[in-house]
Amino acid sequence: GENVEQHPSTLSVQEGDSAVIKCTYSDSASNYFPWYKQELGKRPQLIIDIRSNVGEKKDQRIAVTLNKTAKHFSLHITETQPEDSAVYFCAARSGGGADGLTFGKGTHLIIQP
Amino acid sequence: DAGVIQSPRHEVTEMGQEVTLRCKPISGHDYLFWYRQTMMRGLELLIYFNNNVPIDDSGMPEDRFSAKMPNASFSTLKIQPSEPRDSAVYFCASSQWQGSYNEQFFGPGTRLTVL
Repeated sequence: GENVEQHPSTLSVQEGDSAVIKCTYSDSASNYFPWYKQELGKRPQLIIDIRSNVGEKKDQRIAVTLNKTAKHFSLHITETQPEDSAVYFCAARSGGGADGLTFGKGTHLIIQP
Repeated sequence: DAGVIQSPRHEVTEMGQEVTLRCKPISGHDYLFWYRQTMMRGLELLIYFNNNVPIDDSGMPEDRFSAKMPNASFSTLKIQPSEPRDSAVYFCASSQWQGSYNEQFFGPGTRLTVL
């Protein structure tokens, strides 16, 4: 089955700086890579996703890049703000497009004022 | 739309008792997923359904766990008998197949504590 590794487990950055979280996956058939943000005691919520036929996607301060050859993808957050503090999960989905997600272990992002 | 609904939000029970978690997916969604979240193991897929039919239950940890989806608007996850290591947050998620890639929407979760 799919295996997703995520690094780092904790990331502390100064407010206004950029944050980068990296993930690798094992199944070359995986074709969909979402990123979820989870605040303390809340549900995971999708913030951005990328499909295997796209190399990069951007949504305001958030961007995701995908390198299919190397089987890794990354989340980039620019101009970080206090409300960006949360746990971020990467995930991968293999199969026909509707299978369950395999999640990374999460990155606790701390924005220092 | 109310989103995915789960009940109860919190459950405290004693080892050996039966526990039933409930989920109502978003109306019109044809996929339903059950996930478990713990500090040690993170978010794990337990089972998912398509049009009320279980498709993949390879993530169900043991025979003590069972899940059903009797209709398009209701699913249950049952643990019998429960054990302390089952303590976790259980999330239900649903999605709608749109011919390509489908976003999964998570419910608020049920925090289960087994004493």
